[in-house]
Amino acid sequence: DTEVTQTPKHLVMGMTNKKSLKCEQHMGHRAMYWYKQKAKKPPELMFVYSYEKLSINESVPSRFSPECPNSSLLNLHLHALQPEDSALYLCASSFRTSGGPGGGELFFGEGSRLTVL
Amino acid sequence: GENVEQHPSTLSVQEGDSAVIKCTYSDSASNYFPWYKQELGKRPQLIIDIRSNVGEKKDQRIAVTLNKTAKHFSLHITETQPEDSAVYFCAASTGGATNKLIFGTGTLLAVQP
Repeated sequence: DTEVTQTPKHLVMGMTNKKSLKCEQHMGHRAMYWYKQKAKKPPELMFVYSYEKLSINESVPSRFSPECPNSSLLNLHLHALQPEDSALYLCASSFRTSGGPGGGELFFGEGSRLTVL
Repeated sequence: GENVEQHPSTLSVQEGDSAVIKCTYSDSASNYFPWYKQELGKRPQLIIDIRSNVGEKKDQRIAVTLNKTAKHFSLHITETQPEDSAVYFCAASTGGATNKLIFGTGTLLAVQP
């Protein structure tokens, strides 16, 4: 199984809603990531979990709250979002964080396309 | 912090021609350089990567070269086909404790049949 699975594929929410994005992988990867991607732009790193602990938070607003319940699951809780938060949210995983021997390749999920009204 | 520049932003070639995309990075501690292909509406997928102890790597029609001294690396696609049309992103790992990937701005490659 070389898949990273994300749900939902599409999400529309109002600015007062609370929703969650989910990500799952069964490749035994110990690093998991959330990226945000706007149209025609590169993926922009939001959070990195390494061995189920948050290791990087790229100064993301607190209306985005990540959670890693176990080594296979990664959630992104959304609350009080703004219209400018509308984007494709990509989850990714790797054997370990990039740069280390054998750890580099990121496997991306198909993404959750979020629209904030 | 680490910065990755990518050129050109768009590239149009005729089927069968070669395509070259270039990236430069700023962090001399970077040691891992992947290239991702993203088709419209799809996820980014790794097509080739290279580590800093290697100068060149080839996989069928795709090759990557790395010049550590000049801090630049390039993607070469030979005998291009229409299915090569996509956005290509280079990336470089940061050095040190943070150890994350920084992506270039992307190149939209269009292969004309």
